[in-house]
Amino acid sequence: GDSVTQMEGPVTLSEEAFLTINCTYTATGYPSLFWYVQYPGEGLQLLLKATKADDKGSNKGFEATYRKETTSFHLEKGSVQVSDSAVYFCALSAGAGGTSYGKLTFGQGTILTVHP
Amino acid sequence: GAGVSQSPSNKVTEKGKDVELRCDPISGHTALYWYRQSLGQGLEFLIYFQGNSAPDKSGLPSDRFSAERTGGSVSTLTIQRTQQEDSAVYLCASSLEVLVSYEQYFGPGTRLTVT
Repeated sequence: GDSVTQMEGPVTLSEEAFLTINCTYTATGYPSLFWYVQYPGEGLQLLLKATKADDKGSNKGFEATYRKETTSFHLEKGSVQVSDSAVYFCALSAGAGGTSYGKLTFGQGTILTVHP
Repeated sequence: GAGVSQSPSNKVTEKGKDVELRCDPISGHTALYWYRQSLGQGLEFLIYFQGNSAPDKSGLPSDRFSAERTGGSVSTLTIQRTQQEDSAVYLCASSLEVLVSYEQYFGPGTRLTVT
């Protein structure tokens, strides 16, 4: 079935450091890919998405590019802030015919802590 | 506008009791989803509704779990004869339709603790 593999955490960085969180996926069909973020004490919210190969999703300085050839959707940010401390989830939703159609399949989540 | 709301926010119950969790989706959203977040299993899909029908119940962990949606709006997730392994945060989400590109908006969750 469809699955998402996310880099193990936790990740601890100093403010203004470069961030990469790796995400790879397995899916049939043509999935859409998402990064969700969960700030402390808050609910899940969409950070960015990409719906087809080579699309780049971006928001709040974060970027991720849908790479079909490597089945990856790595999250990057050039300069992290303390306020970026949160749990980040990579997810996919497959197209018709995929086992994840109509639902999100999530990675395990990566805890990011940014120190001043 | 109002987001997805869930009630109760916290529920503590004794093993063997039944519980009902409620979800109010964003007005006008035809698709509604239930997920579970637990330390051991991460975020896992339980069930989704398109309107009042549930085309995919494959994620429900056992026949103790059931869900319904009425009037294309409010949904209730019922867990019968609760077990300690049911302890988790139950998340509800809604989207305009069940299409891969539509964003799912999540509620704050119900934290269920089975003692």
